[in-house]
Amino acid sequence: AQSVTQPDIHITVSEGASLELRCNYSYGATPYLFWYVQSPGQGLQLLLKYFSGDTLVQGIKGFEAEFKRSQSSFNLRKPSVHWSDAAEYFCAVGYAGANNLFFGTGTRLTVIP
Amino acid sequence: NAGVTQTPKFQVLKTGQSMTLQCAQDMNHNSMYWYRQDPGMGLRLIYYSASEGTTDKGEVPNGYNVSRLNKREFSLRLESAAPSQTSVYFCASSEAPLGYTFGSGTRLTVV
Repeated sequence: AQSVTQPDIHITVSEGASLELRCNYSYGATPYLFWYVQSPGQGLQLLLKYFSGDTLVQGIKGFEAEFKRSQSSFNLRKPSVHWSDAAEYFCAVGYAGANNLFFGTGTRLTVIP
Repeated sequence: NAGVTQTPKFQVLKTGQSMTLQCAQDMNHNSMYWYRQDPGMGLRLIYYSASEGTTDKGEVPNGYNVSRLNKREFSLRLESAAPSQTSVYFCASSEAPLGYTFGSGTRLTVV
């Protein structure tokens, strides 16, 4: 069965520090990969997506993610975190022919001054 | 603004009451979805509709029913609410596999 793992439930970083949020998926086919962000009390907003081509993708708000097929990973990165990045981040995976996305359980990011 | 609109935003129900959550999208997407979000469990798919006139069960369909009224609207009904259905409910639409656009959510409490 398809699954998405976000091994870090909660991460705390200092403002200005770099960030990496981990995401691993399990399935044999080539995946479509997404990162979403959810601010408190809000819906989910798409940060970036990967379908094919260049494995390093750029998203909104200065985020990027790299697809590594050999590691079944799609980790989200940001070089310098801002206080406004505090939120919950969800990785999601889809597949050709599938009707829905599969979501990880989320990583909550806290940013300290 | 284009997007997905959910109503209501908040609701408190007594056990055994029924209600319908409404969702409408104006992006002409074929596919629509209902998810529930619970702490530590991420988003779990309740039902989805791949196209107008079709609906299918997701991971956690028990206790829910859906109606794809037309291409724009996809409603979720709780016939007899239970405390276990206390959750945040999200509607989403997509032109698969291009990713979802989410509504802002309905926070439901069943007492």
